[in-house]
Amino acid sequence: DAKTTQPTSMDCAEGRAANLPCNHSTISGNEYVYWYRQIHSQGPQYIIHGLKNNETNEMASLIITEDRKSSTLILPHATLRDTAVYYCIVVNSGGSNYKLTFGKGTLLTVNP
Amino acid sequence: GAVVSQHPSWVICKSGTSVKIECRSLDFQATTMFWYRQFPKQSLMLMATSNEGSKATYEQGVEKDKFLINHASLTLSTLTVTSAHPEDSSFYICSARKTRTGGETQYFGPGTRLLVL
Repeated sequence: DAKTTQPTSMDCAEGRAANLPCNHSTISGNEYVYWYRQIHSQGPQYIIHGLKNNETNEMASLIITEDRKSSTLILPHATLRDTAVYYCIVVNSGGSNYKLTFGKGTLLTVNP
Repeated sequence: GAVVSQHPSWVICKSGTSVKIECRSLDFQATTMFWYRQFPKQSLMLMATSNEGSKATYEQGVEKDKFLINHASLTLSTLTVTSAHPEDSSFYICSARKTRTGGETQYFGPGTRLLVL
């Protein structure tokens, strides 16, 4: 699976949009981009995933560049409860070797 | 969404005893479940892939005789830490794979914190 690169940490003001970048320059055509987050002392929470097109759900939006080498997770109105480590993971969904490999992620701190 | 539960949420045991952790997918069937371990200030590390009705697949460096995995039904996988020692103290997290069109998704349990004295 392709490797991802994320900033170690980011800060965001409460109520503002949080934009979390992820680089995955070696992504292959059949690999999806998944985003999870882990709030302290809890199991990871699925946020969103996509292949080529931009995606939006009740939690966030995922913007994937046309060449698919990078993506951005957008939390439109960050709240204090969004403080967590955010993981960007690239994986061949549906493959026989499907498994998630967690890197160090980005620690997003939402400030009041 | 999809809900995955784990039991117990935390456990304290004496060195040398065995501990069983249950992982259940509550509202979907999961032919594949995964077990992770997370040490303080570190990321999740995959321990093994649990397949319903067959043997688990362990990651390199994980002792299969120490971490016994059973996936007897489509909604339940168990991890037994045999002869636990203090170095096995960790946060154990399971996930269940939900198949669907447009990319499969893993949903995670809340985790089980194990402390071995």
